[in-house]
Amino acid sequence: DTEVTQTPKHLVMGMTNKKSLKCEQHMGHRAMYWYKQKAKKPPELMFVYSYEKLSINESVPSRFSPECPNSSLLNLHLHALQPEDSALYLCASSQAGAGGYNEQFFGPGTRLTVL
Amino acid sequence: KQEVTQIPAALSVPEGENLVLNCSFTDSAIYNLQWFRQDPGKGLTSLLLIQSSQREQTSGRLNASLDKSSGRSTLYIAASQPGDSATYLCAVQDAGNMLTFGGGTRLMVKP
Repeated sequence: DTEVTQTPKHLVMGMTNKKSLKCEQHMGHRAMYWYKQKAKKPPELMFVYSYEKLSINESVPSRFSPECPNSSLLNLHLHALQPEDSALYLCASSQAGAGGYNEQFFGPGTRLTVL
Repeated sequence: KQEVTQIPAALSVPEGENLVLNCSFTDSAIYNLQWFRQDPGKGLTSLLLIQSSQREQTSGRLNASLDKSSGRSTLYIAASQPGDSATYLCAVQDAGNMLTFGGGTRLMVKP
């Protein structure tokens, strides 16, 4: 199984709502990533989890809260978002560890619209 | 800081043409380079991965080359088809497994 799944596919939320994005992989990968992608722009890294611990936070606002409850799951909790947070949110996974040879596999993304 | 540039930003060709997409990067200390395809509103599909010790990789009608010392990679698509229409992204990976993406090339293949 070389698939990364993400739910929901689409999400519309108000600025006062609390919602969560979910990502799952069963490839035995121990590194998982959240990216944000605006229209016609490349993906931007938000967070990296390595062995279920947050290893990188690219200065993301606190209204985005990641969680890695186990080695297969990655969540992104959303609260008090702004309209400019509307984007495609992509999850990826890879083998962990040093070396830089770890291919990343991406999910289909969640299209988020903040009203 | 690594910077990745893709040229051209957009490309429109008639069906059947062979075409080349270019990717350049400023720091040659990379571990691998990936080419991705992205359809509108969709996730990224990995096309080819070239490790830093390799010079090229092939998959079907796709061939990717890497010249690490000059900071360049090309993606060659043979006999283009309308189904190849998509955005193509290259990304370089550093020792910490972080990917730096280029801005992408939006390809349109006309029937």
